[in-house]
Amino acid sequence: QLQLQESGPGLVKPSETLSLSCNVSGGSISTNGYYWGWIRQPPGKRLDWIGSIHYSGSTYYSPSLKSRVTISVDTSKNHFSLKLKSLTAADTAVYYCARLFGADYADFMGQGTLVTVSS
Amino acid sequence: IVMTQSPATLSVSPGERATLSCRASQSVRSNLAWYQQKPGQAPRLLIYGASARATGIPARFSGSGSGTEFTLTISSLQSEDFAVYHCQQYNNWPRTFGQGTKVEIK
Repeated sequence: QLQLQESGPGLVKPSETLSLSCNVSGGSISTNGYYWGWIRQPPGKRLDWIGSIHYSGSTYYSPSLKSRVTISVDTSKNHFSLKLKSLTAADTAVYYCARLFGADYADFMGQGTLVTVSS
Repeated sequence: IVMTQSPATLSVSPGERATLSCRASQSVRSNLAWYQQKPGQAPRLLIYGASARATGIPARFSGSGSGTEFTLTISSLQSEDFAVYHCQQYNNWPRTFGQGTKVEIK
């Protein structure tokens, strides 16, 4: 059974960089037809698509975050990562990693990790 | 593309039918997914392609629509179905979600 698990800090200071990792188990990150991505949910707000990556390294980033976000993949470790820089309070959210069918929709998601941006 | 769900909250008795709506600001063809989210859990995929049930999803969940108007129907609500439901379009970039409909016990 495929499992995704996010890891990273729960509290980050404004202006700093958030680094999250997603470990994939029960399946290969190099499986054709799938992308891997990050989706977040600020408290009381709708889900927000951050971006996605293919195991080949091809990426897509949401235009609203493109200048601040980097998603990378490590096929040897079967995991992928998110970096989001220049954080503000508006980046406070639960961050989910996900397997994306064709970069279209999430058919598996991790449990999510709450990231709070505060001094 | 802006996705708008209605109603914001739907109060339904167990065993009754629930009908949830999702509207896109422009056509997304049939490139629409529905998710269920329970408190403290990640969203779970229910429907993709507007009407195809994901693996393991009970037949009481059905999706319909195309273009700009979509519906998720739960034919007979079970206790485990009380949750928040989100729609998401994947016809255009960036992928976008609706604000969610909460289905609560009446």
